[in-house]
Amino acid sequence: GAVVSQHPSRVICKSGTSVKIECRSLDFQATTMFWYRQFPKKSLMLMATSNEGSKATYEQGVEKDKFLINHASLTLSTLTVTSAHPEDSSFYICSAKKWDRGYEQYFGPGTRLTVT
Amino acid sequence: KQEVTQIPAALSVPEGENLVLNCSFTDSAIYNLQWFRQDPGKGLTSLLLIQSSQREQTSGRLNASLDKSSGRSTLYIAASQPGDSATYLCAADGSGNTGKLIFGQGTTLQVKP
Repeated sequence: GAVVSQHPSRVICKSGTSVKIECRSLDFQATTMFWYRQFPKKSLMLMATSNEGSKATYEQGVEKDKFLINHASLTLSTLTVTSAHPEDSSFYICSAKKWDRGYEQYFGPGTRLTVT
Repeated sequence: KQEVTQIPAALSVPEGENLVLNCSFTDSAIYNLQWFRQDPGKGLTSLLLIQSSQREQTSGRLNASLDKSSGRSTLYIAASQPGDSATYLCAADGSGNTGKLIFGQGTTLQVKP
């Protein structure tokens, strides 16, 4: 199989604090991982592409200083929401590409962030 | 700029019915198109992936087709079951296989027993 995990699944934090979300590919190596954001009853919006060993590529309109992405190994990417505000509350989902399976992407279970 | 649209936004059918979900995209130069299932509060489960050179893919009761010239893909679900109730999302990768998916807003399906 191709399993992607995320931790934590839910997090509540106070406004102004930072939160780190981990995305792991459990049984395969992923040179590229992606971070998406999903608002209630809305579709997924790509935030950034995370490449192992290099800087992430951010989509237009996404603040790179607010959403820090680190892809330190072939199985782990982290998203840190810095100085969180209530408008950052959302469902964050990561995905990873498994190259030997062609072009499919495998998604994590998501992390529900609530900023109070 | 690629845009992906799914119609209808919601669908309710009785158990056993065959149904079709629609997905349209504005830029036909896609690399592949993928269908996903999302249960409430959960992540995405990949259902089918159709590469640009393919016309359809099948997995069990699911069949997905791709018509690049008309900018459309359909997901056919045969003999629907209550367990099929979920939101179905299609996503197009139009960026040369970089994996940057553009998602539709999904069709929420309810299959009534």
